Amino acid sequence: GQNIDQPTEMTATEGAIVQINCTYQTSGFNGLFWYQQHAGEAPTFLSYNVLDGLEEKGRFSSFLSRSKGYSYLLLKELQMKDSASYLCAVRDRVDSNYQLIWGAGTKLIIKP
Amino acid sequence: IAGITQAPTSQILAAGRRMTLRCTQDMRHNAMYWYRQDLGLGLRLIHYSNTAGTTGKGEVPDGYSVSRANTDDFPLTLASAVPSQTSVYFCASSVGAGAAYNEQFFGPGTRLTVL
Repeated sequence: GQNIDQPTEMTATEGAIVQINCTYQTSGFNGLFWYQQHAGEAPTFLSYNVLDGLEEKGRFSSFLSRSKGYSYLLLKELQMKDSASYLCAVRDRVDSNYQLIWGAGTKLIIKP
Repeated sequence: IAGITQAPTSQILAAGRRMTLRCTQDMRHNAMYWYRQDLGLGLRLIHYSNTAGTTGKGEVPDGYSVSRANTDDFPLTLASAVPSQTSVYFCASSVGAGAAYNEQFFGPGTRLTVL
């Protein structure tokens, strides 16, 4: 079956670094996405990994290990505006289509 | 308009009523999606359309129907609303639905309450 796990909530301090983990079980893996969602708003794209390794984009980096079914999102130099939910989604093959399977999201609380 | 728009922003609906949520995109994306988002659960796919004229069922299609008469519009209809359909509904689109890198862009959402 399909399963995406990520922590429900995390707390971090402004200026620090935080790592949000995501583990997954899918049958036809074809890429992993991270999205950011501020309260009451739509999800917005952060990163995409399809090959193993680290993808860096400014303060945000995302890592993928396909053999371990594991990804993480690393946020550096945390700012108050980073308080949001972070959604992990895996593209999986369902019947003859590719669909995104979503985790429940990790609510990140940034404290001064 | 730019991106994806949804209407209404929010709605309170009596159980048993029919309701259509509207979604329009101006990016000429081929693929469109409807999700619902409930507290503690991930986004769940209701229906999708890989291209104009075609639709498919997602994870939770019961009680919902869609149509895709053209590239831009992808309305979602609740034929007879029930309280369990209380949720936030997001419409999304992507360039295509194939295996290549395929970011989805989301509309602002419709908050629906069924009483």
